[in-house]
Amino acid sequence: NAGVTQTPKFRILKIGQSMTLQCTQDMNHNYMYWYRQDPGMGLKLIYYSVGAGITDKGEVPNGYNVSRSTTEDFPLRLELAAPSQTSVYFCASSYSRGEQYFGPGTRLTVT
Amino acid sequence: TQLLEQSPQFLSIQEGENLTVYCNSSSVFSSLQWYRQEPGEGPVLLVTVVTGGEVKKLKRLTFQFGDARKDSSLHITAAQPGDTGLYLCAGFLNTGTASKLTFGTGTRLQVTL
Repeated sequence: NAGVTQTPKFRILKIGQSMTLQCTQDMNHNYMYWYRQDPGMGLKLIYYSVGAGITDKGEVPNGYNVSRSTTEDFPLRLELAAPSQTSVYFCASSYSRGEQYFGPGTRLTVT
Repeated sequence: TQLLEQSPQFLSIQEGENLTVYCNSSSVFSSLQWYRQEPGEGPVLLVTVVTGGEVKKLKRLTFQFGDARKDSSLHITAAQPGDTGLYLCAGFLNTGTASKLTFGTGTRLQVTL
């Protein structure tokens, strides 16, 4: 099993550009999550999904959108990139609501 | 929003020393998890504690869940350079469809030779 995979690993965006961060898991987990981690900080939940077709906002959803058309994929969309969205983004999945498995992260810089 | 405070924020020690990291909250959690994150990687689950007062050991790491399920500690005995990383506690509150994991502020540990 590859676990949770994320692409790209690094990206630089100009202000106002848009992009999609990809996340795929092959563990057949129902629950998937997107977090952001700012330098030296913990993780903040952006969006989460409890199953295909169901998504909900987390702690910091503004400026982001998600979709969950399949169990495996949970892409995160940035429509109008802003410098405040410079961060490392982690996707995670879980079988139950507790223990989560994380991807390697996407390091995004908005200039 | 439940807040999980970790202390200390930073810890730099020499190989062979012992250390304790604390995770405190005013909220009661159904369970609490500890993760370790190495530079450039995602967090990796170390342990989950569920019962108040529970103690779990993972080699040189000892985890304890407070009796009231509001706090937890991580004790490392004879630290090694391989223990270097960011340690995150995360509390899980089971409230049905709104259940989520709340992460602590993190403790960055550096172990030098």
